[in-house]
Amino acid sequence: AQSVTQLDSHVSVSEGTPVLLRCNYSSSYSPSLFWYVQHPNKGLQLLLKYTSAATLVKGINGFEAEFKKSETSFHLTKPSAHMSDAAEFFCVVTGGYQKVTFGTGTKLQVIP
Amino acid sequence: GAVVSQHPSRVICKSGTSVKIECRSLDFQATTMFWYRQFPKKSLMLMATSNEGSKATYEQGVEKDKFLINHASLTLSTLTVTSAHPEDSSFYICSAWDRGGNYGYTFGSGTRLTVV
Repeated sequence: AQSVTQLDSHVSVSEGTPVLLRCNYSSSYSPSLFWYVQHPNKGLQLLLKYTSAATLVKGINGFEAEFKKSETSFHLTKPSAHMSDAAEFFCVVTGGYQKVTFGTGTKLQVIP
Repeated sequence: GAVVSQHPSRVICKSGTSVKIECRSLDFQATTMFWYRQFPKKSLMLMATSNEGSKATYEQGVEKDKFLINHASLTLSTLTVTSAHPEDSSFYICSAWDRGGNYGYTFGSGTRLTVV
């Protein structure tokens, strides 16, 4: 069985403050984990991915995520939010048989 | 890195007509491609999995006669929405699995379908 839970459907932060988007997963296999961002009316863009190498993964636009097996978490962080970060973020887990499971998404609002 | 090109990005069609969406892997061979649909304010839902040279596997509740999928080569999969109705209006996204496993999953940029 495989699942992914994004704990917050909406997150609101002030510009310049840290961002934390939470993701927990479960998988019967050694998972690969991804974070994607979707701006309004746009497609999915890969932010970063974890594929069993370094547990701290750095992505584009200053985002990073840490894989914590003991906590089955893969939270996405950024030290300082920018207005252009406002978008919807999806946590994705892949496991055996190429099965892909999406989280329900977290909408990030950045307040000026 | 791997690139998946999805075309068109937007399409408006009349009820009853058919629309074809293309998904191409530009610099790798995609043994398997996936088609997703995104409902408003919802996450992506897997519609079907297509494997090159064989019939697509549809998820429960997806009408295979309405959403025709063809994966005739290692670089191209197509989704045809037949006899489109306004309720088919949605955002459709494809993804491809790199045969060599080097790039994992790569997503297309999506197609916004509006049926009027």
